[in-house]
Amino acid sequence: DTGVSQDPRHKITKRGQNVTFRCDPISEHNRLYWYRQTLGQGPEFLTYFQNEAQLEKSRLLSDRFSAERPKGSFSTLEIQRTEQGDSAMYLCASSRLRDPESSGANVLTFGAGSRLTVL
Amino acid sequence: AQKVTQAQTEISVVEKEDVTLDCVYETRDTTYYLFWYKQPPSGELVFLIRRNSFDEQNEISGRYSWNFQKSTSSFNFTITASQVVDSAVYFCALSEAWGTGNQFYFGTGTSLTVIP
Repeated sequence: DTGVSQDPRHKITKRGQNVTFRCDPISEHNRLYWYRQTLGQGPEFLTYFQNEAQLEKSRLLSDRFSAERPKGSFSTLEIQRTEQGDSAMYLCASSRLRDPESSGANVLTFGAGSRLTVL
Repeated sequence: AQKVTQAQTEISVVEKEDVTLDCVYETRDTTYYLFWYKQPPSGELVFLIRRNSFDEQNEISGRYSWNFQKSTSSFNFTITASQVVDSAVYFCALSEAWGTGNQFYFGTGTSLTVIP
């Protein structure tokens, strides 16, 4: 397994357009997370899935944002009617359901991110 | 509420110098986890260490060491004999205990530049 893959790595779009990002997690990982990172900031949680179920969404995730993980494998994050404030790096991460080395918080394995620029 | 503060925005050191990156956290939970991640220019966050709130033992891994002090709510990271390849942004993060495990609270990061 080569890790978490994200596509595209870079996307430039005009305000008002829709964009979609794809994330392929590590195959044996049940959990998949989306984070957003703006310049000079740490990643901020957007949403996460356990298998195909979306279990939590941040209030950062406005109605224009939708994420899916239809078969419990890859996930897509769509942003409709993009705004300049959506410009950011969108990070995907995955983790096991249970970490065999710990009964606690799992280690997240991150992808390289998808950088969105909205003109 | 959970919060992670990395007061050092940018640090520059000359190669072979030691450098310590500070991390202060806030949480009401008695069980929590602390992490350090490295983000090189390529952008991918790389896991460095996880520490649970019941384990205050310091840890050393090669040139890296971590000092966890619950009394001051700090989890500092020291790089000994820094190298150019250590240049990156380093993030400290806090996570709730198992049961949720979904929310990682990241600090704003410290950008480290190691000058050859």
